[in-house]
Amino acid sequence: QSALTQPRSVSGSPGQSVTISCTGTSSDVGGYNYVSWYQQHPGKAPKLMIYHVTKRPSGVPDRVSGSKSGSTASLTISGLQPEDEADYYCCSFAGSYWAFGGGTKLTVL
Amino acid sequence: EVQVLESGGGLVQPGGSLRLSCAASGFTFSGYGMNWVRQAPGKGLEWVSGISISGDSTYYGDSVKGRFTISRDKFKNTLYLQMNSLGAEDTAVYYCARVNWNDKHAFDIWGQGTMVTVSS
Repeated sequence: QSALTQPRSVSGSPGQSVTISCTGTSSDVGGYNYVSWYQQHPGKAPKLMIYHVTKRPSGVPDRVSGSKSGSTASLTISGLQPEDEADYYCCSFAGSYWAFGGGTKLTVL
Repeated sequence: EVQVLESGGGLVQPGGSLRLSCAASGFTFSGYGMNWVRQAPGKGLEWVSGISISGDSTYYGDSVKGRFTISRDKFKNTLYLQMNSLGAEDTAVYYCARVNWNDKHAFDIWGQGTMVTVSS
């Protein structure tokens, strides 16, 4: 069972866009479209932001988007707002387990 | 309101045991897969264990295999995690999370978590 690879941190100014990558293998990200992204503010439970690579649950703004190319998934947040500052985790189904990324801290400058 | 609520965390000595519970409400518990995900202090999320809708199939992360047992009670709408042979590396907030295998195939509902501390 392997973890997915994310950058430790990214940053952007209000109004800008940032992209967080999530690299796996053909056994997880590359093999399934069950890639999801979670936002976690300090002391809070994770919140689902993207599922099925590109889909947004109701209530998640359309400035949040997801994509995938091969074994790398990406989360893009455009029009950054102060409340976007949080930790973000990618996750992929891997057949008999779920793999999470190590998490990326997004700082809004 | 759709929600899950964990309980049972606390301080336990190394080598000890603990059973966590997760009470589900606001949805048809028997229609969803359920999982435990943990987060060590200052660290990232780690999937721990999952159980199928029927309860017939269970899955475990390598770090807990052979020590933890997941189960569910459809009459009490409750998910459990029996944790044995606990070590310092098991210290974490343990979250209960729902997976909708008919729809999102993701963890769409999370509890607030219960803290487990393994220390002498």
